[in-house]
Amino acid sequence: EVQLVESGGGLVSPGKSLRLSCTASGFKFEASTMHWVRQVPGRGLEWLSGIISTGRFEDYADSVKGRFTISRDNGRNSLYLQMDGLRGDDTATYYCVKDIGETFWAFEYWGQGTPVNVSS
Amino acid sequence: QSALTQPRSVSGSPGQSVTISCTGPNSDISPYNFVSWFQQYPGKAPKLLIYHVTKRPSGVPDRFSGSKSGNTASLTISGLQAEDEADFYCFAKGNGFTGVFGTGTKLTVL
Repeated sequence: EVQLVESGGGLVSPGKSLRLSCTASGFKFEASTMHWVRQVPGRGLEWLSGIISTGRFEDYADSVKGRFTISRDNGRNSLYLQMDGLRGDDTATYYCVKDIGETFWAFEYWGQGTPVNVSS
Repeated sequence: QSALTQPRSVSGSPGQSVTISCTGPNSDISPYNFVSWFQQYPGKAPKLLIYHVTKRPSGVPDRFSGSKSGNTASLTISGLQAEDEADFYCFAKGNGFTGVFGTGTKLTVL
């Protein structure tokens, strides 16, 4: 059974940093492109970042480019999102997402999400 | 990249068909046909219904179908059932290694 478990969310002050983690199981993590997607409560979905299986290429939405960094550790079956310079509009639930394959852009499995609240 | 445009809401009666549109700003919503559709219930993570415009993951009923024409992708749900009531989102890969979701559509089953 595929499982994606996010952690690391919580309350943080504007301008501070937070690191989200996602632990994967039930599939060959090292063979899948992975993504982060967020959702503001009561609002729509926003794709944030994706990273290919080897970790050698990633990209970001304009809204987080230069502030957020995606990374992965295939030995630990883990995906990360380092979030720096957090702002109020970063408040959202953050989802770890597995692609069906390598750059298929088909978001097959989602974690349960971890909430991030940026507030003073 | 701006969100793709979806109708805010659609509705239909049980047994009927409904179609949700998803419109992008360019002549082709996704040149490599990387268009997906998701269903989301309140408080739950989204579920993949359609990928690569027309493909269904295993376990998704064939009542759900996708299509694309130019800058617009569409999701059709036939034989509407009460449990289909949810929010629906499209997604399209843009230029490079980025993508964008639609604004979302609330489906009401009357």
